[in-house]
Amino acid sequence: GQNIDQPTEMTATEGAIVQINCTYQTSGFNGLFWYQQHAGEAPTFLSYNVLDGLEEKGRFSSFLSRSKGYSYLLLKELQMKDSASYLCAVRSDSNYQLIWGAGTKLIIKP
Amino acid sequence: DAGVTQSPTHLIKTRGQQVTLRCSPKSGHDTVSWYQQALGQGPQFIFQYYEEEERQRGNFPDRFSGHQFPNYSSELNVNALLLGDSALYLCASSHSTGQETQYFGPGTRLLVL
Repeated sequence: GQNIDQPTEMTATEGAIVQINCTYQTSGFNGLFWYQQHAGEAPTFLSYNVLDGLEEKGRFSSFLSRSKGYSYLLLKELQMKDSASYLCAVRSDSNYQLIWGAGTKLIIKP
Repeated sequence: DAGVTQSPTHLIKTRGQQVTLRCSPKSGHDTVSWYQQALGQGPQFIFQYYEEEERQRGNFPDRFSGHQFPNYSSELNVNALLLGDSALYLCASSHSTGQETQYFGPGTRLLVL
């Protein structure tokens, strides 16, 4: 079967760094996406990894290891507005659909 | 540059009724995917439309059907509504290669009573 696992909830402090992990088991692999979703709103695109390694984009970075079926999203200099759910999604080979994790709810405390 | 738009934003229906949700893709995009998202869950893929045809379908019953128009806009129809169909319905648009990032509309929140 196809499965994506993320922690359900994480808590971090404003100004700190947090790492959100995602592990996946899919029938193939053709890219991994991270999206941010505020409560009641649509997901917004954060990052895309298809090759192993780290992709940095401002305060957000995403890492991928295809051999381990593992990715993480790193958020630096946390701000209160970063409180949201973070969704990991995988596109498997020859499929157009994305397979989604249930999301990690990130709570930022002052 | 207009992003993905969806209508209506909210909808209340009763069991057994039928509903039509609408989506206009981001400018320059020709592919539309529909997702259902239950509270506290990730989106579940319903189907994807390209060139006015259903290109791929997720594990949803035939009560869920769709259409894509020549201007790339799309509709999602759900017949014989069940209480369990209550969810946020998301539309995402992308380029036809299927390799491109999907951009989401604001969603339609459907409540079935």
